[in-house]
Amino acid sequence: GAVVSQHPSRVICKSGTSVKIECRSLDFQATTMFWYRQFPKQSLMLMATSNEGSKATYEQGVEKDKFLINHASLTLSTLTVTSAHPEDSSFYICSARKGAGRNEKLFFGSGTQLSVL
Amino acid sequence: KQEVTQIPAALSVPEGENLVLNCSFTDSAIYNLQWFRQDPGKGLTSLLLIQSSQREQTSGRLNASLDKSSGRSTLYIAASQPGDSATYLCAVGPLEYGNKLVFGAGTILRVKS
Repeated sequence: GAVVSQHPSRVICKSGTSVKIECRSLDFQATTMFWYRQFPKQSLMLMATSNEGSKATYEQGVEKDKFLINHASLTLSTLTVTSAHPEDSSFYICSARKGAGRNEKLFFGSGTQLSVL
Repeated sequence: KQEVTQIPAALSVPEGENLVLNCSFTDSAIYNLQWFRQDPGKGLTSLLLIQSSQREQTSGRLNASLDKSSGRSTLYIAASQPGDSATYLCAVGPLEYGNKLVFGAGTILRVKS
């Protein structure tokens, strides 16, 4: 199957700093990637849809200036948590879409555990 | 707004037992339904994908069924093994946006040896 690499797997930072998370599709091109957030024992919540070469589409309630998304190439999307605060601590997961129509499949990264002190 | 509910929230069974995980969704206008496995602190692995026109999918010891009209899906795991211990997530793809998945909160499964 296809491989999606997410880095880093874990990051601890001080309040007020910015953190960048990378999501790479290693063996396929992904024009669309998705970013999710997961709190302990809760569902994955879609934050935004990342489109290569255009602006990301954010879900209701997600601050676009807080969570900056860049999808500059067909294999890389980045999520930057700006001026992180303890309430931003969470598990962030990306997924990349491969194929189209009925053949569409999503492949997920291994996630990033962000802890803001 | 689509909502996905998974029951039970947690399940502990002895090795070898057959088990059923349940998933229900409020809006039957779906594109597809997927079952995922998530190990602690890890990403998701897709187990089974059922298109809206299908009623079930099978892979090895796993069988997933879909009853779109009633808004339900079940994941059946036969002859459970300790290695099956994980969180199982159900996700539906809304009809309009097939891959903007809406996830349930998951069922935490523990298979005891």
